[in-house]
Amino acid sequence: DSGVTQTPKHLITATGQRVTLRCSPRSGDLSVYWYQQSLDQGLQFLIQYYNGEERAKGNILERFSAQQFPDLHSELNLSSLELGDSALYFCASGWTTGANVLTFGAGSRLTVL
Amino acid sequence: QQQVKQSPQSLIVQKGGISIINCAYENTAFDYFPWYQQFPGKGPALLIAIRPDVSEKKEGRFTISFNKSAKQFSLHIMDSQPGDSATYFCAASAGGGADGLTFGKGTHLIIQP
Repeated sequence: DSGVTQTPKHLITATGQRVTLRCSPRSGDLSVYWYQQSLDQGLQFLIQYYNGEERAKGNILERFSAQQFPDLHSELNLSSLELGDSALYFCASGWTTGANVLTFGAGSRLTVL
Repeated sequence: QQQVKQSPQSLIVQKGGISIINCAYENTAFDYFPWYQQFPGKGPALLIAIRPDVSEKKEGRFTISFNKSAKQFSLHIMDSQPGDSATYFCAASAGGGADGLTFGKGTHLIIQP
């Protein structure tokens, strides 16, 4: 157990729907990063939050949004889902704003039918 | 644009042999180069990392070799064991990693007993 908790582990939904993925960072970590892992694109950085504030954006679609709450857990919202959004979504946490030491959760596998 | 190119995509090594995975990067601002190991159903976990002020770092059977002028770095796994069978990702970050880690596409390593 890495200490980073992601829910749900698996999610199956239909095109056009909206889902929310949740992440609880490791105790003491203030930063949360979201990554998308697909077979053809590998691990793609989506967005980073530090202590409730957005710090960096990567290849995140406009249909996707995220936030980090006062208790430091984070949610990734995916809307108007398309087949191509099917992927593993990882959350990682770190104690600083830098990505140099990240601890990953086990991921949420999203299947869009 | 893929900023970190990883090869090979897959690798089969006999038990006791040396596994070698290579990565090349383009962004000269990268200053931190970690390797992550991922087992099926798990998130990536930090294995070993290097900064460009050294040419080699060794931790147990795992060694990173770094060539700054060629903008290349590699992971060597000595005395490879079946338990090393996993997917390995190289990554890079710049400026403390504020923009997250840029990952290679991964190498699926199989160690045959």
